[in-house]
Amino acid sequence: EVQLLESGGGLVQPGGSLRLSCAVSGFTFSDYAMSWVRQAPGKGLEWVSAISGSGGSTFYPDSVKGRFTISRDNSKNTLYLQMNTLRADDTAVYYCAKTGRTSLYGLDVWGQGTTVTVSS
Amino acid sequence: SYVLTQPPSVSVAPGKTARITCGGSNIGSKSVHWYQQKPGQAPVLVIYYNSARPSGIPERFSGSNSGNTATLTISRVEAGDEADYHCQVWDNNKDHSGWVFGGGTKLTVL
Repeated sequence: EVQLLESGGGLVQPGGSLRLSCAVSGFTFSDYAMSWVRQAPGKGLEWVSAISGSGGSTFYPDSVKGRFTISRDNSKNTLYLQMNTLRADDTAVYYCAKTGRTSLYGLDVWGQGTTVTVSS
Repeated sequence: SYVLTQPPSVSVAPGKTARITCGGSNIGSKSVHWYQQKPGQAPVLVIYYNSARPSGIPERFSGSNSGNTATLTISRVEAGDEADYHCQVWDNNKDHSGWVFGGGTKLTVL
């Protein structure tokens, strides 16, 4: 069974940092691109980063570029999101998600999410 | 950047057909995916590549995509279909590539 389990969320002050992890099982991790997607309270889904299976290519929207860094350790079957210079509007549930064979297949498996609260 | 537009809400009676639209410039040239999200839960992929259904998704769920509009159609709507639905595409251009989501549509079963 394919499983994604996020961890690392919590309460952080504005300007602070946090690192999220996503431990995966049930598939060959290095064969698939992965993404982080967030959802602010009462809002829609917002994509925040993506990484290729090898880790050689990364993608970010302008809203987090330069502040967030996505990475992966294929030997540990774990995806990471390093978040720096956090702002109140980064408060959200953060989901990790597995891409299908390619982007044509969408995000076919999602974790349950971890909550990040940025507040003083 | 690429923008996807969804109606904030759609209402439908049980047993009827619900149609949720997702508008975008020449979206018909892209692969559109749809997600169902119930309160307090993670999103679930219900349609990928415009009209394909993942295993375990009922045949009542179908999708189409042409021109500037993609549509998720739910036939014979049930109370359990009440949820938020999000459309998504991969926007690939030389300056910026990434996933784009629509604003989401709340489906209410009357």
